[in-house]
Amino acid sequence: AQSVAQPEDQVNVAEGNPLTVKCTYSVSGNPYLFWYVQYPNRGLQFLLKYITGDNLVKGSYGFEAEFNKSQTSFHLKKPSALVSDSALYFCAVRDMDTGRRALTFGSGTRLQVQP
Amino acid sequence: IAGITQAPTSQILAAGRRMTLRCTQDMRHNAMYWYRQDLGLGLRLIHYSNTAGTTGKGEVPDGYSVSRANTDDFPLTLASAVPSQTSVYFCASSLTENTGELFFGEGSRLTVL
Repeated sequence: AQSVAQPEDQVNVAEGNPLTVKCTYSVSGNPYLFWYVQYPNRGLQFLLKYITGDNLVKGSYGFEAEFNKSQTSFHLKKPSALVSDSALYFCAVRDMDTGRRALTFGSGTRLQVQP
Repeated sequence: IAGITQAPTSQILAAGRRMTLRCTQDMRHNAMYWYRQDLGLGLRLIHYSNTAGTTGKGEVPDGYSVSRANTDDFPLTLASAVPSQTSVYFCASSLTENTGELFFGEGSRLTVL
């Protein structure tokens, strides 16, 4: 079975400060990891993904994520937060080595960036 | 702009009624999905289709059915709606079942009274 945990319901950060949104995963094989962002009353938008290779993945809008196999984590980061980054963020995983193809999503973390 | 179109945007219906949520994509993606989003639970997969003519069950398929008669359309039907099906429903697609990047519609907010 594949699963994702986002331990924080909400993360608050001041504009200009670095931000981290946490994600841990569980798969039996090798993970295929994603971050999506959802703005109010909109569908989810793809931010970035990790398949193989460099553990630091860069994505849209200045976001990056670090894959840590030993800690089974894929935390989302940004060096300097913007008020416009305020949104709901979802981590998702797919097990590359099993028959299940659809993504499993975490419960989401609301990011609030204060001016 | 190419993408996924969902209809209706919002609907209120009485318990026991039949309802079909429509989803159309113009990206010629092979794989399509239906998720429901509930507070604190994230997105849960209802049904999926890897290619036209095939469908499969996700995590929470009970009370829902889908069909995939062609590449573009993937309707979701609630045969007899119940209040626990009150949710926001998202249709999504990907180029293939092996492509992890999903494209989402804007969602359909359904309230069952």
